[in-house]
Amino acid sequence: GAGVSQSPSNKVTEKGKDVELRCDPISGHTALYWYRQSLGQGLEFLIYFQGNSAPDKSGLPSDRFSAERTGGSVSTLTIQRTQQEDSAVYLCASSFNSPVRNNEQFFGPGTRLTVL
Amino acid sequence: AQSVTQPDIHITVSEGASLELRCNYSYGATPYLFWYVQSPGQGLQLLLKYFSGDTLVQGIKGFEAEFKRSQSSFNLRKPSVHWCDAAEYICAVGPGGYNKLIFGAGTRLAVHP
Repeated sequence: GAGVSQSPSNKVTEKGKDVELRCDPISGHTALYWYRQSLGQGLEFLIYFQGNSAPDKSGLPSDRFSAERTGGSVSTLTIQRTQQEDSAVYLCASSFNSPVRNNEQFFGPGTRLTVL
Repeated sequence: AQSVTQPDIHITVSEGASLELRCNYSYGATPYLFWYVQSPGQGLQLLLKYFSGDTLVQGIKGFEAEFKRSQSSFNLRKPSVHWCDAAEYICAVGPGGYNKLIFGAGTRLAVHP
């Protein structure tokens, strides 16, 4: 079946501009995660959505970052007033809703963001 | 603090040689452990996972990993490496009911013909 999809695959923007990154999770997955992968560093958790619960935003690095998930499916990560340090690959993942299976996350191909 | 350490940033092996990639974790309870592979321009693909039971787990593409509680390790192994195994290998810890995976920095594997 279809996996997690993300768009765009690549995004080049100028410093100070806003960007939106989109994630389509696997159908039936109620949990959705955003991660950031910077050059030479491990994946960094950003935000987590689970069903209708309030999202866990504890990983967002600043108030320039926000995310929403409409209708429990598609999610958009928005970065306002982008900075060069925001350049990274942004990965989305989704999973089922169970205490154990919650950890079986399936990842999308990522969006490579370059801020000039 | 919870953490995952992959001591080797880069490893180069010859095709057909055996492989072991190291992963050590720091976590206060029984962890859920994962190995992912990431090829250039692609997302992470799950190789194998350990939740409980047999400490030697088999995964896809001929990989296996062994959970050693006494050493806080979950090393990835493959008896004979193929050129197509060249990729980034990332170890992760999932704290059970908590939903955020903690990732290591990854090990980049190069395979010589």
